[in-house]
Amino acid sequence: NAGVTQTPKFQVLKTGQSMTLQCAQDMNHEYMSWYRQDPGMGLRLIHYSVGAGITDQGEVPNGYNVSRSTTEDFPLRLLSAAPSQTSVYFCASSSPGQDHEQYFGPGTRLTVT
Amino acid sequence: DAKTTQPTSMDCAEGRAANLPCNHSTISGNEYVYWYRQIHSQGPQYIIHGLKNNETNEMASLIITEDRKSSTLILPHATLRDTAVYYCIVRVGDTGGFKTIFGAGTRLFVKA
Repeated sequence: NAGVTQTPKFQVLKTGQSMTLQCAQDMNHEYMSWYRQDPGMGLRLIHYSVGAGITDQGEVPNGYNVSRSTTEDFPLRLLSAAPSQTSVYFCASSSPGQDHEQYFGPGTRLTVT
Repeated sequence: DAKTTQPTSMDCAEGRAANLPCNHSTISGNEYVYWYRQIHSQGPQYIIHGLKNNETNEMASLIITEDRKSSTLILPHATLRDTAVYYCIVRVGDTGGFKTIFGAGTRLFVKA
């Protein structure tokens, strides 16, 4: 299993540009989540999904959209990038239940100039 | 989900046990304690979790007080590779981890 994969690893955007961060998992996990991590800070939840076709907002959803058309993929869209969105973005997946851990991807480092 | 309080940073000598405390005084009866760590800029990695009994696995031990208001993660023989940020998380178990809330964690420095 590849686990959780994220592309790209690095990205530089200009203010106002849009882009999609890709996340895929091959573990047949129902749950997937997106987090952002600013320098020296903990992770903050952006959006999450409990299954295909079902998404919901986390702590910091503004400026981001998500969709979940398949179990495997959970892309994160930045509609109009702003410097405040400069961060490292992590995708995670898990199965329901207390004995199931979250698996995290390697992250995408995004810089908005 | 209940909030947690952890020290900002801790030091530990290589080969010694690292004991990382966590306070979760508002924990509910159906909430579990989870520990993750994040090495440098990698994605967080699961370590261990428990409800009320002490737990041990190949990575660490988790000691939960009888009133469940605090817990301690123990790395029995810390190595330089254990230098990382350690997150203590409390969440309802049966919801799965899809909306885990991470705090700032404890930055553990293991020194030679």
